[in-house]
Amino acid sequence: EVQLVESGGDLVQPGGSLRLSCSPSGFTFSGYWMAWVRQVPGKGLEWVANIKEDGSEKYYVDSVRGRFTISRDNAKNLLFLQMNSLRVEDTAIYYCAPGRWWWGAWGRGTTVTVSS
Amino acid sequence: DIQMTQSPSTLSASVGDRVTITCRASQSISNWLAWYQQQPGKAPKLLIYQASSLQSGVPSRFSGSGSGTEFTLTISSLQPDDFATYYCQQYQSDPTFGGGTKVDI
Repeated sequence: EVQLVESGGDLVQPGGSLRLSCSPSGFTFSGYWMAWVRQVPGKGLEWVANIKEDGSEKYYVDSVRGRFTISRDNAKNLLFLQMNSLRVEDTAIYYCAPGRWWWGAWGRGTTVTVSS
Repeated sequence: DIQMTQSPSTLSASVGDRVTITCRASQSISNWLAWYQQQPGKAPKLLIYQASSLQSGVPSRFSGSGSGTEFTLTISSLQPDDFATYYCQQYQSDPTFGGGTKVDI
Protein backbone atom coordinates (compact mmCIF):
# COMPACT_ATOMS: atom_id res chain seq x y z
CA GLU A 1 0.00 0.00 0.00
CA VAL A 2 1.32 3.42 -0.96
CA GLN A 3 1.74 5.74 2.01
CA LEU A 4 3.18 9.22 2.25
CA VAL A 5 3.85 11.02 5.50
CA GLU A 6 4.58 14.74 5.41
CA SER A 7 6.18 16.54 8.34
CA GLY A 8 7.87 19.79 9.25
CA GLY A 9 4.92 22.15 9.14
CA ASP A 10 4.85 24.83 11.81
CA LEU A 11 3.92 28.40 12.68
CA VAL A 12 6.57 30.76 11.35
CA GLN A 13 6.90 34.52 11.03
CA PRO A 14 6.93 36.23 7.64
CA GLY A 15 10.43 36.11 6.20
CA GLY A 16 11.21 32.90 8.05
CA SER A 17 12.19 29.47 6.78
CA LEU A 18 10.91 25.93 7.09
CA ARG A 19 11.95 22.56 5.71
CA LEU A 20 9.21 20.09 4.93
CA SER A 21 9.88 16.37 4.60
CA CYS A 22 7.94 13.57 2.97
CA SER A 23 8.52 9.94 3.82
CA PRO A 24 7.04 7.60 1.21
CA SER A 25 6.55 3.84 1.34
CA GLY A 26 4.86 1.13 -0.67
CA PHE A 27 6.44 2.03 -4.00
CA THR A 28 9.89 2.44 -5.52
CA PHE A 29 10.55 6.06 -4.61
CA SER A 30 13.57 6.41 -6.90
CA GLY A 31 11.45 5.45 -9.89
CA TYR A 32 8.98 8.30 -9.64
CA TRP A 33 8.80 12.00 -10.16
CA MET A 34 7.59 13.61 -6.95
CA ALA A 35 5.55 16.73 -6.36
CA TRP A 36 4.45 19.12 -3.66
CA VAL A 37 0.90 20.48 -3.88
CA ARG A 38 -0.61 22.92 -1.41
CA GLN A 39 -4.06 23.97 -0.35
CA VAL A 40 -5.12 27.01 1.60
CA PRO A 41 -7.67 25.67 4.12
CA GLY A 42 -11.12 25.97 2.60
CA LYS A 43 -9.70 26.99 -0.77
CA GLY A 44 -8.43 25.33 -3.92
CA LEU A 45 -5.35 23.33 -4.82
CA GLU A 46 -2.06 24.66 -6.18
CA TRP A 47 0.86 22.70 -7.57
CA VAL A 48 4.06 24.01 -5.96
CA ALA A 49 7.01 22.06 -7.35
CA ASN A 50 8.10 18.76 -8.80
CA ILE A 51 11.35 16.87 -9.20
CA LYS A 52 12.52 14.19 -11.57
CA GLU A 53 13.39 10.69 -10.40
CA ASP A 54 17.11 11.41 -10.19
CA GLY A 55 16.75 15.03 -9.08
CA SER A 56 18.17 16.39 -12.34
CA GLU A 57 15.05 18.43 -13.23
CA LYS A 58 13.05 20.65 -10.91
CA TYR A 59 10.12 22.90 -11.69
CA TYR A 60 8.28 25.47 -9.61
CA VAL A 61 5.14 27.56 -9.71
CA ASP A 62 6.03 31.20 -10.37
CA SER A 63 4.96 32.37 -6.91
CA VAL A 64 7.61 30.27 -5.11
CA ARG A 65 10.43 30.19 -7.65
CA GLY A 66 13.60 31.55 -6.07
CA ARG A 67 12.26 31.07 -2.53
CA PHE A 68 11.48 27.35 -2.37
CA THR A 69 13.77 24.43 -3.26
CA ILE A 70 12.59 20.90 -3.85
CA SER A 71 15.09 18.08 -3.33
CA ARG A 72 15.20 14.37 -2.69
CA ASP A 73 17.42 11.72 -1.14
CA ASN A 74 16.76 8.46 -2.95
CA ALA A 75 19.11 6.55 -0.67
CA LYS A 76 17.01 7.53 2.34
CA ASN A 77 13.64 7.60 0.56
CA LEU A 78 12.96 11.19 1.46
CA LEU A 79 11.53 14.21 -0.35
CA PHE A 80 12.12 17.75 0.90
CA LEU A 81 10.81 21.25 0.37
CA GLN A 82 13.04 24.02 1.68
CA MET A 83 10.94 27.15 2.06
CA ASN A 84 12.68 30.49 2.56
CA SER A 85 11.42 34.07 2.69
CA LEU A 86 8.01 32.80 3.68
CA ARG A 87 4.99 35.01 3.08
CA VAL A 88 1.55 35.08 4.66
CA GLU A 89 0.16 33.77 1.38
CA ASP A 90 2.27 30.59 1.73
CA THR A 91 -0.01 29.52 4.59
CA ALA A 92 -1.47 26.19 3.50
CA ILE A 93 -1.56 22.47 3.92
CA TYR A 94 1.34 20.99 1.95
CA TYR A 95 0.95 17.55 0.38
CA CYS A 96 3.55 15.38 -1.30
CA ALA A 97 2.57 13.00 -4.08
CA PRO A 98 4.27 10.67 -6.56
CA GLY A 99 3.98 11.55 -10.22
CA ARG A 100 4.87 14.35 -12.59
CA TRP A 101 1.56 15.32 -14.08
CA TRP A 102 -1.23 13.79 -11.99
CA TRP A 103 -1.29 12.33 -8.54
CA GLY A 104 -2.93 9.06 -7.57
CA ALA A 105 -1.68 8.95 -3.98
CA TRP A 106 -1.48 11.67 -1.39
CA GLY A 107 -0.34 12.00 2.20
CA ARG A 108 -2.37 13.66 4.93
CA GLY A 109 -0.39 16.86 4.52
CA THR A 110 1.51 19.12 6.89
CA THR A 111 0.27 22.56 7.85
CA VAL A 112 2.39 25.66 7.37
CA THR A 113 1.16 28.86 8.97
CA VAL A 114 2.95 32.11 8.22
CA SER A 115 1.87 34.82 10.62
CA SER A 116 3.31 37.46 12.88
CA ASP B 1 -0.39 29.92 -17.27
CA ILE B 2 -3.39 27.92 -18.39
CA GLN B 3 -6.50 28.92 -16.42
CA MET B 4 -9.07 26.29 -15.55
CA THR B 5 -12.67 27.33 -14.91
CA GLN B 6 -15.18 24.98 -13.36
CA SER B 7 -18.94 25.31 -13.37
CA PRO B 8 -21.03 25.35 -11.38
CA SER B 9 -19.14 26.28 -8.22
CA THR B 10 -21.85 24.64 -6.12
CA LEU B 11 -24.33 22.00 -7.15
CA SER B 12 -27.26 20.75 -5.10
CA ALA B 13 -28.32 17.19 -5.86
CA SER B 14 -29.94 14.12 -4.39
CA VAL B 15 -28.91 10.49 -4.11
CA GLY B 16 -29.54 8.80 -7.43
CA ASP B 17 -29.20 11.98 -9.51
CA ARG B 18 -27.05 12.17 -12.62
CA VAL B 19 -24.54 14.96 -12.07
CA THR B 20 -22.37 16.74 -14.62
CA ILE B 21 -19.53 19.13 -13.82
CA THR B 22 -17.88 21.21 -16.53
CA CYS B 23 -14.26 22.34 -16.74
CA ARG B 24 -13.00 24.79 -19.35
CA ALA B 25 -9.37 25.53 -20.17
CA SER B 26 -8.14 28.95 -21.30
CA GLN B 27 -6.37 27.26 -24.21
CA SER B 28 -6.31 23.83 -25.75
CA ILE B 29 -4.90 21.14 -23.48
CA SER B 30 -5.65 18.17 -25.75
CA ASN B 31 -6.72 15.49 -23.25
CA TRP B 32 -4.20 16.33 -20.55
CA LEU B 33 -6.77 16.60 -17.78
CA ALA B 34 -7.38 14.92 -14.44
CA TRP B 35 -10.31 15.00 -12.02
CA TYR B 36 -10.11 14.69 -8.24
CA GLN B 37 -12.61 14.27 -5.44
CA GLN B 38 -11.96 15.78 -2.04
CA GLN B 39 -13.93 14.99 1.09
CA PRO B 40 -13.82 17.53 3.95
CA GLY B 41 -10.62 17.22 5.98
CA LYS B 42 -9.09 14.67 3.62
CA ALA B 43 -6.54 14.71 0.82
CA PRO B 44 -7.73 14.75 -2.78
CA LYS B 45 -8.44 11.44 -4.50
CA LEU B 46 -7.69 10.91 -8.19
CA LEU B 47 -10.75 9.84 -10.17
CA ILE B 48 -9.88 10.33 -13.83
CA TYR B 49 -6.70 11.03 -15.78
CA GLN B 50 -6.09 11.75 -19.45
CA ALA B 51 -9.62 13.17 -19.56
CA SER B 52 -11.43 9.83 -19.64
CA SER B 53 -9.27 7.10 -18.07
CA LEU B 54 -10.73 5.79 -14.83
CA GLN B 55 -8.22 5.44 -12.00
CA SER B 56 -7.95 1.94 -10.60
CA GLY B 57 -10.46 1.31 -7.83
CA VAL B 58 -12.74 4.20 -8.75
CA PRO B 59 -16.40 3.20 -9.23
CA SER B 60 -17.63 3.04 -12.81
CA ARG B 61 -20.39 5.56 -12.09
CA PHE B 62 -17.67 8.19 -12.56
CA SER B 63 -16.76 9.08 -16.14
CA GLY B 64 -14.88 11.84 -17.89
CA SER B 65 -15.05 13.20 -21.39
CA GLY B 66 -13.87 16.05 -23.55
CA SER B 67 -10.80 17.34 -25.31
CA GLY B 68 -9.32 20.64 -26.30
CA THR B 69 -10.84 23.24 -23.99
CA GLU B 70 -14.06 21.70 -22.68
CA PHE B 71 -14.35 18.72 -20.37
CA THR B 72 -17.00 17.08 -18.23
CA LEU B 73 -17.07 14.82 -15.21
CA THR B 74 -20.27 12.81 -14.91
CA ILE B 75 -21.53 10.83 -11.95
CA SER B 76 -24.23 8.56 -13.34
CA SER B 77 -26.07 7.92 -10.05
CA LEU B 78 -25.00 10.00 -7.08
CA GLN B 79 -24.22 8.01 -3.95
CA PRO B 80 -23.96 9.34 -0.35
CA ASP B 81 -20.14 9.12 -0.47
CA ASP B 82 -20.09 11.37 -3.56
CA PHE B 83 -21.09 14.52 -1.72
CA ALA B 84 -17.72 16.26 -1.90
CA THR B 85 -15.74 18.89 -3.79
CA TYR B 86 -14.44 18.06 -7.26
CA TYR B 87 -11.43 19.62 -8.97
CA CYS B 88 -10.15 19.45 -12.52
CA GLN B 89 -6.43 19.83 -13.22
CA GLN B 90 -4.60 20.34 -16.48
CA TYR B 91 -1.11 19.10 -17.23
CA GLN B 92 -0.54 20.39 -20.74
CA SER B 93 1.96 22.71 -19.08
CA ASP B 94 2.80 23.49 -15.46
CA PRO B 95 -0.14 21.94 -13.61
CA THR B 96 -3.06 24.15 -12.64
CA PHE B 97 -6.35 23.33 -10.96
CA GLY B 98 -9.86 24.57 -11.38
CA GLY B 99 -11.55 26.37 -8.51
CA GLY B 100 -13.63 23.38 -7.49
CA THR B 101 -17.27 22.31 -7.58
CA LYS B 102 -18.96 21.46 -4.31
CA VAL B 103 -21.67 18.84 -4.62
CA ASP B 104 -24.07 18.99 -1.71
CA ILE B 105 -27.57 18.00 -0.81
